[in-house]
Amino acid sequence: GIQVEQSPPDLILQEGANSTLRCNFSDSVNNLQWFHQNPWGQLINLFYIPSGTKQNGRLSATTVATERYSLLYISSSQTTDSGVYFCAVSRGNYGGSQGNLIFGKGTKLSVKP
Amino acid sequence: EADIYQTPRYLVIGTGKKITLECSQTMGHDKMYWYQQDPGMELHLIHYSYGVNSTEKGDLSSESTVSRIRTEHFPLTLESARPSHTSQYLCASSEYIPDRNNEQFFGPGTRLTVL
Repeated sequence: GIQVEQSPPDLILQEGANSTLRCNFSDSVNNLQWFHQNPWGQLINLFYIPSGTKQNGRLSATTVATERYSLLYISSSQTTDSGVYFCAVSRGNYGGSQGNLIFGKGTKLSVKP
Repeated sequence: EADIYQTPRYLVIGTGKKITLECSQTMGHDKMYWYQQDPGMELHLIHYSYGVNSTEKGDLSSESTVSRIRTEHFPLTLESARPSHTSQYLCASSEYIPDRNNEQFFGPGTRLTVL
């Protein structure tokens, strides 16, 4: 099956700093999502980005599907950005288990005031 | 408002009890999923369903069972809870149309503790 690797596993930032989180995947994918898991355990959708670049406020993401990686950029970080960031991929919405998401182990981000 | 609901949010229960975790969605989605997540770890798929009367086992073996009698409802049941079942359980849904956006959306989760 597809392997998903996220780096770094842990990241500590001072408030206001910028950061880049990386997601590498081992095979071609049709779906790639970035999530933020807050301290209460809820998964918040950040981006659905199988290819290209998207921006939402201080967050942006880029997926280079041909090179099998995606990057999540956080600018001017705030304490509320703390939590775990997950990357998840699938091969698309077809029969069988190919449409199911495979998650990386996440990047734990701590933003200090 | 379209959303995914899970109840209860927190559950502490004794060994041997039967429990059902509820999941409902008003997203209009056909496909639904259950994931298990231990603290600080990645999510693992334990069950999914393509629609009414469809249930499939996921990548992680689980003693739980699921049913899909209504499109919007996908409950998970443990017949006899054990401490090893202590975990967070997350429900999700997505469209199921080939070549279309199949973005998954998640409920708030249920934190289960079995004593």
